[in-house]
Amino acid sequence: SYVLTQPPSVSVAPGKTARITCGGNYIGSKSVHWYQQKPGQAPVLVIYYDSDRPSGIPERFSGSKSGNTATLAISRVEAGDEADYYCQGWDVISDHPVFGTGTKVTVL
Amino acid sequence: QVQLQESGPGLVKPSETLSLTCTVSGGSMSDSYWNWIRQPPGEGLEWIGYIYYSGSTNYNPSLRSRFTISVDTSKNQFSLKLSSVTAADTAVYYCASRGGIGGSGSYYNSWGQGLLVTVSS
Repeated sequence: SYVLTQPPSVSVAPGKTARITCGGNYIGSKSVHWYQQKPGQAPVLVIYYDSDRPSGIPERFSGSKSGNTATLAISRVEAGDEADYYCQGWDVISDHPVFGTGTKVTVL
Repeated sequence: QVQLQESGPGLVKPSETLSLTCTVSGGSMSDSYWNWIRQPPGEGLEWIGYIYYSGSTNYNPSLRSRFTISVDTSKNQFSLKLSSVTAADTAVYYCASRGGIGGSGSYYNSWGQGLLVTVSS
């Protein structure tokens, strides 16, 4: 089955930029979306269609793609950004959504 | 933005059928496609399937066909049934509404708070 691979963890100092990658064979040809999930809470959409931000999501969150890798960048990181982040793509063979393996962002 | 709320038992015995309901408020059932997504403890997210208000459904082909999603538009609810549960079905079950144009352009813009269902005797 289709797997979207993310680094298990990313550590970043406050005020710096965190970058989370998401790799998969169909990333380059299909939209990628990103979610933030804090402990005990439901995921929240932070980026859709590769780089669009829903209303209410700070401009510090941005998305990009290059080849078969998508990246979520969080600039000027704050303690409140500490969470798990998941990318979501599309399995073109089975024709259904797939979530990435997840990345835990730790603010030092 | 639409609000969603899951309800159902938190404990189910092995081999029994799990039944969950999601109540939608602040919007019409015809406004979106209604999804179930689950997350085993400490693990990632897994899409189960969706239903449209018309009753049309689509399921994750990677899962065994034990799932059934139904809709009751008169109550603004949709439901999930999972038969023959095992410990591997222990998870937080979320209902979510779909945004986007569908297909690979689908994303999930409103989620319920989630309901932990434990399968144990």
